[in-house]
Amino acid sequence: GENVEQHPSTLSVQEGDSAVIKCTYSDSASNYFPWYKQELGKRPQLIIDIRSNVGEKKDQRIAVTLNKTAKHFSLHITETQPEDSAVYFCAASKGSGGYQKVTFGTGTKLQVIP
Amino acid sequence: SAVISQKPSRDICQRGTSLTIQCQVDSQVTMMFWYRQQPGQSLTLIATANQGSEATYESGFVIDKFPISRPNLTFSTLTVSNMSPEDSSIYLCSVGGQGSATNEKLFFGSGTQLSVL
Repeated sequence: GENVEQHPSTLSVQEGDSAVIKCTYSDSASNYFPWYKQELGKRPQLIIDIRSNVGEKKDQRIAVTLNKTAKHFSLHITETQPEDSAVYFCAASKGSGGYQKVTFGTGTKLQVIP
Repeated sequence: SAVISQKPSRDICQRGTSLTIQCQVDSQVTMMFWYRQQPGQSLTLIATANQGSEATYESGFVIDKFPISRPNLTFSTLTVSNMSPEDSSIYLCSVGGQGSATNEKLFFGSGTQLSVL
């Protein structure tokens, strides 16, 4: 089955700096890579996703890049703000219609220091 | 997006007892997913609940321990049976967004924080 590894497990940055979280996956057939943000005591929420036919996707201050050859993808947050503090999970699936299991990474706790 | 109501939000239970968690969705969905999130850990899929058929369990999870009901397309329950302290965790129900790939863009319930004494 799919295995998703995520690094680092914790990350502290100064407000305004950038943060990068990296994930690798094992199943070359995976083609859908979402990122979820989970604030303390809250439910995980999808913040951005990318499909395997795209190398990069941006949404305001967040971006995701994908390297299919190396089987890794990354989340980039620029101009970090205190409200970005949360746990971030990457995930992978072979989403193509119908049921495909979503495998989550181990999570990165991001702390933005004001 | 889907609105998911999950209850109870938290409970403290005695060893050996059972707890049933309910999940209600505001729209009809084919599949509902139950996840476990142990303290400080990632999300692990327990099972997929399909309406009209038995749930599909992931490796390491069995029906006797985690029986699931799915009586209609908007509701599901997960029971944690014969609980032990190792079952202390957050349990989350989830559904996929609308569209051709129904498992993508997962929406989660607010979770049930279970503590077993």
